[in-house]
Amino acid sequence: DAGVIQSPRHEVTEMGQEVTLRCKPISGHDYLFWYRQTMMRGLELLIYFNNNVPIDDSGMPEDRFSAKMPNASFSTLKIQPSEPRDSAVYFCASSQTSGYNEQFFGPGTRLTVL
Amino acid sequence: AQKVTQAQTEISVVEKEDVTLDCVYETRDTTYYLFWYKQPPSGELVFLIRRNSFDEQNEISGRYSWNFQKSTSSFNFTITASQVVDSAVYFCALSGGSQGNLIFGKGTKLSVKP
Repeated sequence: DAGVIQSPRHEVTEMGQEVTLRCKPISGHDYLFWYRQTMMRGLELLIYFNNNVPIDDSGMPEDRFSAKMPNASFSTLKIQPSEPRDSAVYFCASSQTSGYNEQFFGPGTRLTVL
Repeated sequence: AQKVTQAQTEISVVEKEDVTLDCVYETRDTTYYLFWYKQPPSGELVFLIRRNSFDEQNEISGRYSWNFQKSTSSFNFTITASQVVDSAVYFCALSGGSQGNLIFGKGTKLSVKP
């Protein structure tokens, strides 16, 4: 299996621009998670889906962030408009059947907002 | 509330030394899962182990071993005869309750010097 796939791997953009991060989970995994990693806050959950349905989005920082999962093999995290404080590494992870199973992480997207 | 504390921010050892990474957790759930992940300098998050709250048996996998003690709410990780390739940030995480998402500790950066 190819593992969790994320694109792009690096993104540099200017403040105010829209940013879209993409994720393809491992086939057969029912849960998909978006995490953000920063030096100050560490790894924090933004949102997670079960069977394409958002379950908990309480970690989404504000209305500028939105996430979708139109089908079992694709999810997006969008930031509009982006701000310098959004600079971080964004990870997508997926797990099988239950959220209590181990989560497999993608390589991450390093976002820099100038 | 759930919480994971990794009190050791950074540890530096010389190759072949044994090293223990501490993890203390807080939860009110009776059923929960504990995890360790490794994040090497390349940035990806690699799953190492999952432990459920009903299984207090210690586990050994090669040079890695884990000590789970419910009485002290700890899930410590020991690397025996450390190697330079073990240099990474190690995260302890907790999953429990009605949610399947992971609550991560801040991580411990391990540097193994030749």
